[in-house]
Parts: sequence; structure tokens; C-alpha cells
Amino acid sequence: GENVEQHPSTLSVQEGDSAVIKCTYSDSASNYFPWYKQELGKRPQLIIDIRSNVGEKKDQRIAVTLNKTAKHFSLHITETQPEDSAVYFCAASNQRDDYKLSFGAGTTVTVRA
Amino acid sequence: GAVVSQHPSWVICKSGTSVKIECRSLDFQATTMFWYRQFPKQSLMLMATSNEGSKATYEQGVEKDKFLINHASLTLSTLTVTSAHPEDSSFYICSARTGRAGGETQYFGPGTRLLVL
Repeated sequence: GENVEQHPSTLSVQEGDSAVIKCTYSDSASNYFPWYKQELGKRPQLIIDIRSNVGEKKDQRIAVTLNKTAKHFSLHITETQPEDSAVYFCAASNQRDDYKLSFGAGTTVTVRA
Repeated sequence: GAVVSQHPSWVICKSGTSVKIECRSLDFQATTMFWYRQFPKQSLMLMATSNEGSKATYEQGVEKDKFLINHASLTLSTLTVTSAHPEDSSFYICSARTGRAGGETQYFGPGTRLLVL
């Protein structure tokens, strides 16, 4: 099955700085890579996703890059704000497995004011 | 659009009782629903995948006789935790996807926090 590794486990940044979270996956069949933000006690919320036919995607302060050859993808948050503090999860999935998600372990991001 | 609800949001029960959790897609038809369990400060662990009208597919290590899943319609899936024990206490979250072309995206319910005494 798919194995997703995520680093770092915790990340503390000064407000206004950038945050980068990296994930690797093992299954070359994986072709859909979403990122979720989860606040304490709440549901995971999709913040951005990328498909394997694209190398980079950006949505305002959030961007995701994908390197299929190396099997890794990264989340970039620029100009961080206190409300960006949360746990972020990367995930990977593929059509063969009905797009079930294999999640990374999560990254706790703290933005210091 | 793409709203998923879950009920109840909180449940406390005695050891040995059964608990049913409902997951509904409110504004779309969900051909596939997923059930996850999340322990404190941990990631989401997939328990099972359910497709409308067919038996659920359970992940390795998940007891199908303990966690009964029914996906009777395109908008409703239920998870029943049978003979619950304290170690079953967790945050249970469902998700749903449309199954249409390009419908890889999963939309999550708000979760159900289960406490077994």
C-alpha cells in the first residue's frame, strides 16, 4: 500500500515568514495529492490539491509543488498569519484504490505574532 | 456545495453498548464514502471504504464485525461500533466523494467524538 511521510512534525514561524512542509510517497500509481488543514477538534479542510499532470499550483498565499520522479510534494505558505496556525496533513491517492487517502503524520504549524 | 454532515457530534456510552454514527452528503450524491479514526495528536487512519449498495472494504487490522458499515443510499452511510470498549474512544470522521470524473476530492464531515466509559 501507499506510505506517505511528512516533515517536519512541528514548525514554528514568525508572522510574515514562509512555511514549507514536505511529503514523500511510495506508490508510483498515486496521482492525486491534497493538503488538508485541521484545527483542534474540527474537520480536515481541503486547502489545495494537485494532480500528477501538473508540477505546481498556486492559490493566493498557498502553493504546492510536485516532483513525480522523486515522489515528493511540498506545501508552501507565504506571508504567514496567526490564523494559519493549525495541523496540516498531506495525502496521496490513486484511482486504482478508489482514491482512498493515505495521510502523512501531520505538521503542527505555529505562527508567532 | 459539497457539504457532509455527521451525527451525533458527541456520544458518551457505557462499555458493551453499541453506537451508530451517521454520515450524510447534503448536496451531492456520494458513490463512495470513507470512515476514518483519529486518536489525539495523531493522523487520520482509514478504517474502511464503502460504496453505495455494496459491502464495505475494510483496512487491514480493522475488525469488520466490530465496526459495521452500511451505505444504503447515495447520501447516507452509517458506522456502528458494536460492543464498544474504552479503547474505541476516538474521533470518528467520515468523508465522501462524488465518483464523477475528476471527483477525487474528499469532503469531510465534522466528526463524532466517542467516549466509552
